[in-house]
Amino acid sequence: GAVVSQHPSWVICKSGTSVKIECRSLDFQATTMFWYRQFPKQSLMLMATSNEGSKATYEQGVEKDKFLINHASLTLSTLTVTSAHPEDSSFYICSARRIWMNTEAFFGQGTRLTVV
Amino acid sequence: ELKVEQNPLFLSMQEGKNYTIYCNYSTTSDRLYWYRQDPGKSLESLFVLLSNGAVKQEGRLMASLDTKARLSTLHITAAVHDLSATYFCAVDPNTGTASKLTFGTGTRLQVTL
Repeated sequence: GAVVSQHPSWVICKSGTSVKIECRSLDFQATTMFWYRQFPKQSLMLMATSNEGSKATYEQGVEKDKFLINHASLTLSTLTVTSAHPEDSSFYICSARRIWMNTEAFFGQGTRLTVV
Repeated sequence: ELKVEQNPLFLSMQEGKNYTIYCNYSTTSDRLYWYRQDPGKSLESLFVLLSNGAVKQEGRLMASLDTKARLSTLHITAAVHDLSATYFCAVDPNTGTASKLTFGTGTRLQVTL
């Protein structure tokens, strides 16, 4: 199966600092990647759709200036949480679909962000 | 707006018993996925259902899709403790190459000895 690698798997940062999370498709190309956030005991909520070579599309209520997404290549998307606050602490998961194939989505391992 | 509901939200069952988790969704779609999530982990793909009437089985789990009823089921046969996890269904509206998944509320399954 296809592999999506997410890094780091966990990070602790101080309030007010920025954190970058990487999502890579290791053995396939993905024109589109998705970023989700999951709070404890809740479902996954889509934050944004990341499109290679263009601006990300954010879901309603997600601050684009706070959650910066860059999709510089067909195998890499990054999510930067800027000026992080404790309420940003969450589990962030990326997923990717193969280029030109709109079937199964593959998920990264997730990143546990704790802001102190 | 696509809505996806699962029930039950929490299920405690004894080993050896059978049970079904239901996933209802609000809009037309013929693409539905089931995932498993263990505590602190990401999602593990279980089933990909891509047409009306699709049925897939893996071990003690069987998933089906009825697009006319907008309903998918995940049936557990003779549960074992290792199946304890949270199960999510996710619906793809199939609106193009960048279709985004909408996840159900999740069902936390606890299998007791």
